[in-house]
Amino acid sequence: GQQLNQSPQSMFIQEGEDVSMNCTSSSIFNTWLWYKQDPGEGPVLLIALYKAGELTSNGRLTAQFGITRKDSFLNISASIPSDVGIYFCAGQLKGTYKYIFGTGTRLKVLA
Amino acid sequence: GAGVSQSPSNKVTEKGKDVELRCDPISGHTALYWYRQSLGQGLEFLIYFQGNSAPDKSGLPSDRFSAERTGGSVSTLTIQRTQQEDSAVYLCASSSRTGESEQYFGPGTRLTVT
Repeated sequence: GQQLNQSPQSMFIQEGEDVSMNCTSSSIFNTWLWYKQDPGEGPVLLIALYKAGELTSNGRLTAQFGITRKDSFLNISASIPSDVGIYFCAGQLKGTYKYIFGTGTRLKVLA
Repeated sequence: GAGVSQSPSNKVTEKGKDVELRCDPISGHTALYWYRQSLGQGLEFLIYFQGNSAPDKSGLPSDRFSAERTGGSVSTLTIQRTQQEDSAVYLCASSSRTGESEQYFGPGTRLTVT
């Protein structure tokens, strides 16, 4: 099925470092959602974005809806061990109710 | 409040058997989605329900897959004559409306076909 290009696929970082990941597509999206998934659990919604250029924060997390409506990024500041997990972006295709999911970024934090 | 619930959490079945997976969405949510997640992969859209409208079944991988939503609430995903390639985590999500809306996921059902 159709998927967004999400990068990086995985990353190892030191505790306290900042993290950045992004999703890009050739399609235009109306909404971007960012999720975190822990092993054996369903994805948990972190941030929702609804307008091009919108910048939204949730604690140490900040996400932006790209101006072109074709991309989004997620930043995590001052990472901590519990940030470990897989992060997914999801874009809602313009004019539809379907969400397309990125392939995920696997984050590992070294204490 | 209660989130999306799914049952069973794990299901092991023999190849060729039928299975039913259940999803209870968040109360009041009119939109319900089913996704499949293979090991280490992203989420693959399967089917979408919205209120009393006809469901969008465009993501179902074969005619062995079907889903129902009774009374606009609980949904059941049925896989007939299961194959080994059906092994995956099946996730259900609900949202309060279509359009600009947040999806909330259940914990998933891990299906293993032996």
